[in-house]
Amino acid sequence: AQSVTQLGSHVSVSEGALVLLRCNYSSSVPPYLFWYVQYPNQGLQLLLKYTSAATLVKGINGFEAEFKKSETSFHLTKPSAHMSDAAEYFCAVSAQGAQKLVFGQGTRLTINP
Amino acid sequence: NAGVTQTPKFQVLKTGQSMTLQCAQDMNHEYMSWYRQDPGMGLRLIHYSVGAGITDQGEVPNGYNVSRSTTEDFPLRLLSAAPSQTSVYFCASSYSKARREAFFGQGTRLTVV
Repeated sequence: AQSVTQLGSHVSVSEGALVLLRCNYSSSVPPYLFWYVQYPNQGLQLLLKYTSAATLVKGINGFEAEFKKSETSFHLTKPSAHMSDAAEYFCAVSAQGAQKLVFGQGTRLTINP
Repeated sequence: NAGVTQTPKFQVLKTGQSMTLQCAQDMNHEYMSWYRQDPGMGLRLIHYSVGAGITDQGEVPNGYNVSRSTTEDFPLRLLSAAPSQTSVYFCASSYSKARREAFFGQGTRLTVV
């Protein structure tokens, strides 16, 4: 069975600092991996996806994530945080043989001026 | 394209009432799903459909019914609302197994009193 663990329900960084949001997955087969962002009172928007091509994936708004099979991780990073990055971020996994997405619990990112 | 459209955006129900949450997509996606979002629990899959006439249960299906008579529409029915069903509900669609990134609606905030 697939599962996703996001370490830290709340992350706070200063504007201009590095953003690091952690995601570890469990899957019996090589997975598809996704990061979504949710702004207040809105639906989820796809940030980036890993589909077994390049292990370093670049997404929208300057975010990127690296797939590390040995660590079963897919951490999300951004070199320099902006106030507009304040939102909730969700990591999700989908096994190769299925289309269902399994989501982590979410990480709320706060940006301090 | 309107994408994924959910109605209503807000709803208050009394315990025991029934209602249908509507979801429509205009992207000709074959896969559609319903999630509920509760604080600290991420998104949990209620029901999903891999095509017209085909539906299946997700992680938390009890108290909900779905049907998929057309590619475009995937309504979610609450049979007899309970306070435990107070949540934010999201409908999502994706094109296929090969392109499985999900597109989300704006959500329906449901309160059961």
